[in-house]
Amino acid sequence: DIQMTQSPSTLSASVGDRVTITCRASQSISTWLAWYQQKPGKAPKFLIYKASSLESGVPSRFSGSGSGTEFTLTISSLQPDDFATYYCQQYKSYSTFGQGTKVEIK
Amino acid sequence: QVQLVETGGGVVQPGRSLRLSCAASGFTFAGYSMHWVRQAPGKGLEWVAIISYDGDNKYYADSVKGRFTISRDNSKNTLFLQMNSLRAEDTAVYYCAKDTLSYGAYTFDYWGQGTLVIVSS
Repeated sequence: DIQMTQSPSTLSASVGDRVTITCRASQSISTWLAWYQQKPGKAPKFLIYKASSLESGVPSRFSGSGSGTEFTLTISSLQPDDFATYYCQQYKSYSTFGQGTKVEIK
Repeated sequence: QVQLVETGGGVVQPGRSLRLSCAASGFTFAGYSMHWVRQAPGKGLEWVAIISYDGDNKYYADSVKGRFTISRDNSKNTLFLQMNSLRAEDTAVYYCAKDTLSYGAYTFDYWGQGTLVIVSS
């Protein structure tokens, strides 16, 4: 099974900050990686696929990069609506999610 | 617009069964693979099962293999999850999720609101 590890688990930031979340895979997954945003009590929202492709309608302040085993999600200028938990997901072999990174208000 | 509405959750005793449903609308249901994904209280996301667009292919997470069965009725635009031999560790919000592709890319572009299953005596 492919394991996904995110860091940090919690991130405190202010509006306007540049935020980076890291996701590592236990083996190479090429670019078969997606990112989701989840707010409390809500379903996840699909943000990025193929490591760096932005889903339609997702603001351009979100970007993804990486390949192989190391990936990043970057929010270029954090907005009030972005405080949420973010999950990476590998889909090279079935599906596995990271444990999540909570972005909270500093 | 795409809508996925799960029903069937509730409180059930360990060892018993429960059947979840997910009513889909706003897209060509028969054209996409569908998934169940769950989230235990306060925990992360766990993929549970996939069914191909035509129902011919099904795959499961090891944690539910042999106990859960995914199925679909394309004539009624409905996805199902039959859960047998339920355990306390199956307690979670269960989401149905639409795949981005027909054959199963395992990326989920639309999700339902979730239905809570509590396994407890």
